[in-house]
Amino acid sequence: DAKTTQPNSMESNEEEPVHLPCNHSTISGTDYIHWYRQLPSQGPEYVIHGLTSNVNNRMASLAIAEDRKSSTLILHRATLRDAAVYYCILRAGGTSYGKLTFGQGTILTVHP
Amino acid sequence: EAGVAQSPRYKIIEKRQSVAFWCNPISGHATLYWYQQILGQGPKLLIQFQNNGVVDDSQLPKDRFSAERLKGVDSTLKIQPAKLEDSAVYLCASRFTGTGGYEQYFGPGTRLTVT
Repeated sequence: DAKTTQPNSMESNEEEPVHLPCNHSTISGTDYIHWYRQLPSQGPEYVIHGLTSNVNNRMASLAIAEDRKSSTLILHRATLRDAAVYYCILRAGGTSYGKLTFGQGTILTVHP
Repeated sequence: EAGVAQSPRYKIIEKRQSVAFWCNPISGHATLYWYQQILGQGPKLLIQFQNNGVVDDSQLPKDRFSAERLKGVDSTLKIQPAKLEDSAVYLCASRFTGTGGYEQYFGPGTRLTVT
């Protein structure tokens, strides 16, 4: 499985934008970039995913580098509820049945 | 839409005892996953089912762990006998395997403490 590298932790202030980076230099052409987050004492939840183009949804935006070797999850206005562990995951396309390999993730702290 | 249900939420057992966890996925989700999450780490996939067939169990310690999904709906994960290092949160997730089925939905997990 292709690996991702994320900072161990990041901090932000409430109502400010947050940019969470992820490096995936060994990504293959069919790998999708997924982001999940895990709030304290809960199971992970899906945030966003993309293949080549930038993506937006109600939770966040995903900016993918042109060479696809890195990506950035953007939370436009952080709230206290966004404090969580954020996982950047590469999911193989094809018949992988959606297998996800989680790394350590980035612990995001949001200050009031 | 009801989410993924898991029970029990907490379990404390002594080493060498056995334990079982239950998962009810979201209705219509053919793919079911069991993960183990040790404190401070990301979830690790133990086993993956497609309907009632095993797709991937490469990281399941088969000498002590077993899982089944007999009718392609509910699933159970069993540990027998438990070791201290099995203390972790056991997460169940499910996924719709049709067009647009890219998202895994996770349950709240079962926190297992082995003493």
